[in-house]
Amino acid sequence: QQQVKQSPQSLIVQKGGISIINCAYENTAFDYFPWYQQFPGKGPALLIAIRPDVSEKKEGRFTISFNKSAKQFSLHIMDSQPGDSATYFCAAIINFGNEKLTFGTGTRLTIIP
Amino acid sequence: NAGVTQTPKFRVLKTGQSMTLLCAQDMNHEYMYWYRQDPGMGLRLIHYSVGEGTTAKGEVPDGYNVSRLKKQNFLLGLESAAPSQTSVYFCASRGQEYSPLHFGNGTRLTVT
Repeated sequence: QQQVKQSPQSLIVQKGGISIINCAYENTAFDYFPWYQQFPGKGPALLIAIRPDVSEKKEGRFTISFNKSAKQFSLHIMDSQPGDSATYFCAAIINFGNEKLTFGTGTRLTIIP
Repeated sequence: NAGVTQTPKFRVLKTGQSMTLLCAQDMNHEYMYWYRQDPGMGLRLIHYSVGEGTTAKGEVPDGYNVSRLKKQNFLLGLESAAPSQTSVYFCASRGQEYSPLHFGNGTRLTVT
Protein backbone atom coordinates (compact mmCIF):
# COMPACT_ATOMS: atom_id res chain seq x y z
CA GLN A 1 0.00 0.00 0.00
CA GLN A 2 1.69 3.15 -1.22
CA GLN A 3 0.68 6.04 0.98
CA VAL A 4 2.49 8.74 -1.01
CA LYS A 5 2.15 8.79 -4.80
CA GLN A 6 4.60 10.86 -6.84
CA SER A 7 4.56 11.95 -10.48
CA PRO A 8 6.07 12.16 -13.00
CA GLN A 9 8.68 9.42 -12.85
CA SER A 10 11.02 11.48 -15.02
CA LEU A 11 11.03 15.07 -16.21
CA ILE A 12 13.09 17.01 -18.72
CA VAL A 13 13.06 20.83 -18.51
CA GLN A 14 14.97 23.46 -20.39
CA LYS A 15 17.36 25.70 -18.52
CA GLY A 16 15.50 28.67 -17.11
CA GLY A 17 12.15 26.89 -17.14
CA ILE A 18 9.90 25.80 -14.26
CA SER A 19 10.08 22.22 -13.00
CA ILE A 20 6.97 20.87 -11.26
CA ILE A 21 6.73 17.59 -9.36
CA ASN A 22 3.49 16.44 -7.78
CA CYS A 23 2.65 14.22 -4.82
CA ALA A 24 -0.60 12.95 -3.34
CA TYR A 25 -1.13 11.32 0.03
CA GLU A 26 -3.87 9.24 1.61
CA ASN A 27 -3.38 9.43 5.37
CA THR A 28 -4.79 12.68 6.80
CA ALA A 29 -2.72 12.14 9.96
CA PHE A 30 0.47 13.11 8.12
CA ASP A 31 1.68 16.41 9.57
CA TYR A 32 5.06 17.10 7.97
CA PHE A 33 5.90 16.97 4.27
CA PRO A 34 9.61 17.22 3.31
CA TRP A 35 11.20 17.10 -0.11
CA TYR A 36 14.59 15.46 -0.59
CA GLN A 37 17.14 15.89 -3.36
CA GLN A 38 19.52 13.07 -4.29
CA PHE A 39 22.59 13.20 -6.51
CA PRO A 40 24.14 10.00 -7.95
CA GLY A 41 26.21 8.10 -5.42
CA LYS A 42 24.94 10.16 -2.48
CA GLY A 43 22.25 9.87 0.12
CA PRO A 44 19.15 12.08 -0.11
CA ALA A 45 19.39 15.51 1.50
CA LEU A 46 16.57 17.73 2.76
CA LEU A 47 15.61 20.42 0.27
CA ILE A 48 12.53 22.06 1.77
CA ALA A 49 9.64 21.03 4.02
CA ILE A 50 6.14 22.20 4.91
CA ARG A 51 3.51 21.63 7.60
CA PRO A 52 -0.18 21.37 6.60
CA ASP A 53 -1.16 24.60 8.38
CA VAL A 54 0.32 26.69 5.53
CA SER A 55 -0.48 26.59 1.81
CA GLU A 56 2.92 27.60 0.46
CA LYS A 57 6.55 27.76 1.51
CA LYS A 58 9.31 29.35 -0.52
CA GLU A 59 13.08 29.06 -0.16
CA GLY A 60 15.02 30.71 -2.94
CA ARG A 61 14.04 29.12 -6.26
CA PHE A 62 12.20 26.24 -4.54
CA THR A 63 8.53 26.44 -3.54
CA ILE A 64 6.18 23.89 -2.00
CA SER A 65 2.48 24.33 -2.71
CA PHE A 66 0.16 22.47 -0.36
CA ASN A 67 -3.54 21.68 -0.87
CA LYS A 68 -4.89 20.10 2.29
CA SER A 69 -8.42 19.49 1.01
CA ALA A 70 -7.14 17.68 -2.10
CA LYS A 71 -4.39 15.90 -0.12
CA GLN A 72 -1.81 17.02 -2.64
CA PHE A 73 1.46 18.93 -2.55
CA SER A 74 3.94 19.91 -5.19
CA LEU A 75 7.49 21.15 -5.63
CA HIS A 76 8.17 24.02 -8.03
CA ILE A 77 11.70 24.85 -9.13
CA MET A 78 11.89 28.27 -10.74
CA ASP A 79 14.62 29.22 -13.21
CA SER A 80 15.78 25.60 -13.36
CA GLN A 81 19.55 25.13 -13.73
CA PRO A 82 21.67 22.17 -14.90
CA GLY A 83 22.89 21.81 -11.30
CA ASP A 84 19.30 21.00 -10.29
CA SER A 85 19.50 17.75 -12.27
CA ALA A 86 18.93 15.09 -9.61
CA THR A 87 16.31 12.72 -8.26
CA TYR A 88 13.66 14.31 -6.06
CA PHE A 89 11.58 12.51 -3.46
CA CYS A 90 8.53 13.76 -1.62
CA ALA A 91 7.80 12.29 1.79
CA ALA A 92 5.33 12.41 4.66
CA ILE A 93 5.45 11.59 8.35
CA ILE A 94 3.20 11.51 11.42
CA ASN A 95 5.08 13.26 14.22
CA PHE A 96 4.32 12.17 17.79
CA GLY A 97 2.90 9.04 16.19
CA ASN A 98 4.58 6.08 14.58
CA GLU A 99 7.45 8.32 13.35
CA LYS A 100 7.71 6.45 10.03
CA LEU A 101 8.82 8.67 7.15
CA THR A 102 7.14 7.40 3.96
CA PHE A 103 8.65 8.33 0.59
CA GLY A 104 7.24 8.72 -2.89
CA THR A 105 8.84 6.74 -5.71
CA GLY A 106 11.02 9.63 -6.92
CA THR A 107 11.32 11.87 -9.98
CA ARG A 108 14.46 12.00 -12.06
CA LEU A 109 14.83 15.61 -13.19
CA THR A 110 17.10 16.55 -16.09
CA ILE A 111 17.74 20.18 -16.98
CA ILE A 112 18.94 20.66 -20.55
CA PRO A 113 20.77 23.74 -21.87
CA ASN B 1 31.46 16.26 12.36
CA ALA B 2 30.88 13.10 10.32
CA GLY B 3 27.04 13.02 10.48
CA VAL B 4 25.82 9.56 9.45
CA THR B 5 28.47 7.00 8.48
CA GLN B 6 27.70 3.67 6.84
CA THR B 7 30.08 0.75 6.50
CA PRO B 8 30.87 -0.97 4.24
CA LYS B 9 30.29 1.07 1.06
CA PHE B 10 30.16 -1.97 -1.22
CA ARG B 11 29.69 -5.69 -0.64
CA VAL B 12 29.13 -8.77 -2.77
CA LEU B 13 27.57 -11.83 -1.11
CA LYS B 14 26.70 -15.30 -2.30
CA THR B 15 23.18 -16.58 -1.72
CA GLY B 16 22.82 -17.88 1.81
CA GLN B 17 25.68 -15.88 3.31
CA SER B 18 25.11 -13.48 6.18
CA MET B 19 26.38 -9.99 6.87
CA THR B 20 25.86 -6.94 9.06
CA LEU B 21 25.67 -3.34 7.89
CA LEU B 22 26.76 -0.75 10.41
CA CYS B 23 25.34 2.75 10.77
CA ALA B 24 26.86 5.29 13.14
CA GLN B 25 25.68 8.84 13.86
CA ASP B 26 27.40 11.49 15.95
CA MET B 27 24.47 13.93 16.28
CA ASN B 28 22.91 12.38 19.41
CA HIS B 29 19.74 11.63 17.41
CA GLU B 30 16.96 9.55 18.93
CA TYR B 31 15.45 8.18 15.73
CA MET B 32 17.29 5.94 13.25
CA TYR B 33 16.07 4.27 10.07
CA TRP B 34 17.15 1.71 7.49
CA TYR B 35 15.84 2.08 3.93
CA ARG B 36 16.48 0.19 0.73
CA GLN B 37 16.45 1.94 -2.63
CA ASP B 38 15.54 0.10 -5.81
CA PRO B 39 14.94 1.59 -9.30
CA GLY B 40 11.40 2.85 -9.72
CA MET B 41 10.43 1.99 -6.13
CA GLY B 42 11.80 4.92 -4.19
CA LEU B 43 13.00 4.44 -0.63
CA ARG B 44 11.29 1.68 1.30
CA LEU B 45 11.55 1.48 5.07
CA ILE B 46 12.98 -1.79 6.39
CA HIS B 47 13.23 -1.23 10.15
CA TYR B 48 13.56 1.76 12.40
CA SER B 49 14.24 2.73 16.01
CA VAL B 50 12.76 5.46 18.19
CA GLY B 51 15.48 5.21 20.82
CA GLU B 52 18.25 3.10 22.30
CA GLY B 53 17.11 -0.47 22.86
CA THR B 54 14.01 -0.15 20.66
CA THR B 55 13.29 -1.40 17.14
CA ALA B 56 10.18 -1.55 14.94
CA LYS B 57 9.25 -3.02 11.57
CA GLY B 58 8.85 -0.89 8.48
CA GLU B 59 7.28 -1.73 5.12
CA VAL B 60 9.69 -4.48 4.01
CA PRO B 61 11.18 -6.14 7.14
CA ASP B 62 11.26 -9.78 6.00
CA GLY B 63 14.76 -11.25 5.77
CA TYR B 64 16.33 -8.50 7.89
CA ASN B 65 17.02 -8.00 11.58
CA VAL B 66 18.22 -4.93 13.44
CA SER B 67 19.68 -3.95 16.77
CA ARG B 68 20.13 -0.61 18.59
CA LEU B 69 22.27 -1.47 21.61
CA LYS B 70 23.89 1.98 21.68
CA LYS B 71 22.17 5.25 20.83
CA GLN B 72 24.70 6.15 18.16
CA ASN B 73 24.67 2.81 16.32
CA PHE B 74 22.01 0.97 14.32
CA LEU B 75 22.92 -2.41 12.82
CA LEU B 76 21.13 -4.13 9.95
CA GLY B 77 21.63 -7.86 9.59
CA LEU B 78 20.93 -10.25 6.74
CA GLU B 79 20.83 -13.79 8.10
CA SER B 80 20.65 -15.64 4.77
CA ALA B 81 21.11 -13.34 1.80
CA ALA B 82 18.91 -13.74 -1.30
CA PRO B 83 19.27 -12.18 -4.78
CA SER B 84 16.10 -10.14 -4.06
CA GLN B 85 18.10 -8.29 -1.40
CA THR B 86 20.41 -6.81 -4.02
CA SER B 87 19.91 -3.10 -3.45
CA VAL B 88 21.37 0.12 -2.16
CA TYR B 89 20.84 0.46 1.59
CA PHE B 90 20.60 3.83 3.31
CA CYS B 91 20.72 4.60 6.98
CA ALA B 92 19.25 7.84 8.31
CA SER B 93 18.79 9.56 11.64
CA ARG B 94 16.84 12.51 12.99
CA GLY B 95 16.49 14.46 16.20
CA GLN B 96 13.23 15.71 17.64
CA GLU B 97 9.89 15.87 15.87
CA TYR B 98 9.58 18.03 12.74
CA SER B 99 13.30 17.72 12.09
CA PRO B 100 14.72 16.35 8.82
CA LEU B 101 16.33 13.00 8.19
CA HIS B 102 20.11 12.97 7.76
CA PHE B 103 21.23 10.20 5.42
CA GLY B 104 24.46 8.31 5.03
CA ASN B 105 25.94 7.74 1.57
CA GLY B 106 24.65 4.22 1.24
CA THR B 107 25.88 0.64 0.96
CA ARG B 108 25.62 -1.06 -2.41
CA LEU B 109 24.95 -4.75 -1.85
CA THR B 110 24.94 -7.39 -4.57
CA VAL B 111 23.79 -10.94 -3.85
CA THR B 112 24.72 -13.51 -6.48
